[in-house]
Amino acid sequence: QSVLTQPPSVSGAPGQRVTISCTGSSSNIGAGYDVHWYQQLPGTAPKLLIYGNNNRPSGVPDRFSGSKSGTSASLAITGLQAEDEADYYCQSYDASLSVFYVFGTGTKVTVL
Amino acid sequence: EVQLVESGGGLVQPGRSLRISCAASGFTFDDYAMHWVRQAPGKGLEWVSGISWKSGTIDYADSVKGRFTISRDNAKNSLYLQMNSLRSEDTALYYCAKGSCSSSRCKQGSWFDPWGQGTLVTVSS
Repeated sequence: QSVLTQPPSVSGAPGQRVTISCTGSSSNIGAGYDVHWYQQLPGTAPKLLIYGNNNRPSGVPDRFSGSKSGTSASLAITGLQAEDEADYYCQSYDASLSVFYVFGTGTKVTVL
Repeated sequence: EVQLVESGGGLVQPGRSLRISCAASGFTFDDYAMHWVRQAPGKGLEWVSGISWKSGTIDYADSVKGRFTISRDNAKNSLYLQMNSLRSEDTALYYCAKGSCSSSRCKQGSWFDPWGQGTLVTVSS
């Protein structure tokens, strides 16, 4: 069960900026736990995109950025490219549930 | 290069058992917690289980608690998931993933990187 809510889809033209929201609660994001983001290209395994709210692993373009405030977080993609078309998931830790690690519902990004 | 390779998936009848494995290479396996995450066909990601570096802390999602057992063999750089009393709702692609610290419960919460390519478990009669 997902306790982090994301919009099902977002879209944008090449070169545009899109943002994906991730809404949690006081037991996960609001409790101060970090938010991480993953990109899943069609038919492939998820890949870490952002860790610790706003840090990019080596090799991830600086077009991708993350932020966190209160009980929510956001992923921004600037200069949208065709290769960014994928599913994106946020993830955090939840202290109130025995599930421990929670993922967002996922967002499909479409490049028009 | 850090690499995780899962194996052992397949078609299994409801109520039966299956053991899947994950072979790790390219990093000091016994320095990190390891996790299993699954993805049902066409659905999102669900964390299943995590195990700390020396197996001292083991956690499960409620959906699999009492049926699944995670284990690791640090001498073989391998992670396992024993799945018993399988149900149709366990049908999914099972990924192993490396945690970001030695505990399965990192202070600020772990991220998962990298992930293996996944092994498909299909529970059906």
